Amino acid sequence: GNSVTQMEGPVTLSEEAFLTINCTYTATGYPSLFWYVQYPGEGLQLLLKATKADDKGSNKGFEATYRKETTSFHLEKGSVQVSDSAVYFCALSDQGSGGYQKVTFGTGTKLQVIP
Amino acid sequence: DAMVIQNPRYQVTQFGKPVTLSCSQTLNHNVMYWYQQKSSQAPKLLFHYYDKDFNNEADTPDNFQSRRPNTSFCFLDIRSPGLGDAAMYLCATSSLGPTSGADEQFFGPGTRLTVL
Repeated sequence: GNSVTQMEGPVTLSEEAFLTINCTYTATGYPSLFWYVQYPGEGLQLLLKATKADDKGSNKGFEATYRKETTSFHLEKGSVQVSDSAVYFCALSDQGSGGYQKVTFGTGTKLQVIP
Repeated sequence: DAMVIQNPRYQVTQFGKPVTLSCSQTLNHNVMYWYQQKSSQAPKLLFHYYDKDFNNEADTPDNFQSRRPNTSFCFLDIRSPGLGDAAMYLCATSSLGPTSGADEQFFGPGTRLTVL
């Protein structure tokens, strides 16, 4: 079955530091890939997505590139802010049984940015 | 703004006492999902509706049921909550057909369930 593996947290960075959160996946088909962010006490919000190999998703200074050859979708940001403190989930979407799209989430990586 | 709304945000129930969580959406999406998220874990899909077509995940306990009376509303019923059912319950929606390409899911803020 499909699976998503992301680096364990928590990740603690100083403000303006460079961020990388690693994500690799296993899928039998051709999934779309997503990064969701969850702020404390809230639901998940889509941060960015990529639907095919070599696509780059970007939003709010975050970027991730769909690498089919390494089955990876690492999240990067050049300069983090305190407001980026949250839990980040890597996810893939593929056809489940019955033809419906099914999302598989990674376990989440907690990011804490300190001033 | 179009959105996914969950009520209540916090729900306390007693062991074995039935509880219902609600979700509504103004996005007019045809698919609605219920996830269970325990502390520091990924959301776990319980079931989803594609229009009125109900799809249960194989490992979802029978204790969990769902109803979707119309496009806008979806309910999660826990018939006899146990201590292990304490979690955040997330509702999500998406707009896609059974064989269309992948699309994002829009999440509500969640309902945190406490079982005493």
